[in-house]
Amino acid sequence: DAGVIQSPRHEVTEMGQEVTLRCKPISGHNSLFWYRQTMMRGLELLIYFNNNVPIDDSGMPEDRFSAKMPNASFSTLKIQPSEPRDSAVYFCASSLADRNTGELFFGEGSRLTVL
Amino acid sequence: QQQVKQSPQSLIVQKGGISIINCAYENTAFDYFPWYQQFPGKGPALLIAIRPDVSEKKEGRFTISFNKSAKQFSLHIMDSQPGDSATYFCAARGIQGAQKLVFGQGTRLTINP
Repeated sequence: DAGVIQSPRHEVTEMGQEVTLRCKPISGHNSLFWYRQTMMRGLELLIYFNNNVPIDDSGMPEDRFSAKMPNASFSTLKIQPSEPRDSAVYFCASSLADRNTGELFFGEGSRLTVL
Repeated sequence: QQQVKQSPQSLIVQKGGISIINCAYENTAFDYFPWYQQFPGKGPALLIAIRPDVSEKKEGRFTISFNKSAKQFSLHIMDSQPGDSATYFCAARGIQGAQKLVFGQGTRLTINP
């Protein structure tokens, strides 16, 4: 059974360029999360969706970041324009909203380098 | 705004020893405390989790100890093995709202053979 699939795995871009990261959650999961990981700040929650609806985007750094989930099997995180401080590993995770377990399943991440 | 504080940042343990990682939280409205394990180049994966109504949970060589009054919980890895070398994150989930987890800063564990 396929896990959470993220693309691209690696992205190198120049400052000012638009970056789009993609995520396919596990089939049947109804919650989706975007996290950012850096050495300095660890794992930060950027935004999460429940049933394709954004529930909490308080972690989105600024207006340069946007996320969409047009359907249950696809989500994007866009950065426009990108800046060097956006360099990080971006993880997508999905879960079946269940108060008894709450396990998040993470993808392998998209490593972004902004020059 | 960090709500879960984790220590130490890095830890080196000899093979066969006990690895101990500690976490403390401030928000009393957390109801679920998982630990995630992350290998280089991979995403975090759930290792073990506990609810605040129990003081300890053991799964194989991994044990969570939970102290509700002190708002602290820890991960113990018994008979540590080189394959346990990874980064470990504690996390907490709020009672209110959906599934979002707040993570600690992570501990890079190295088990020397």
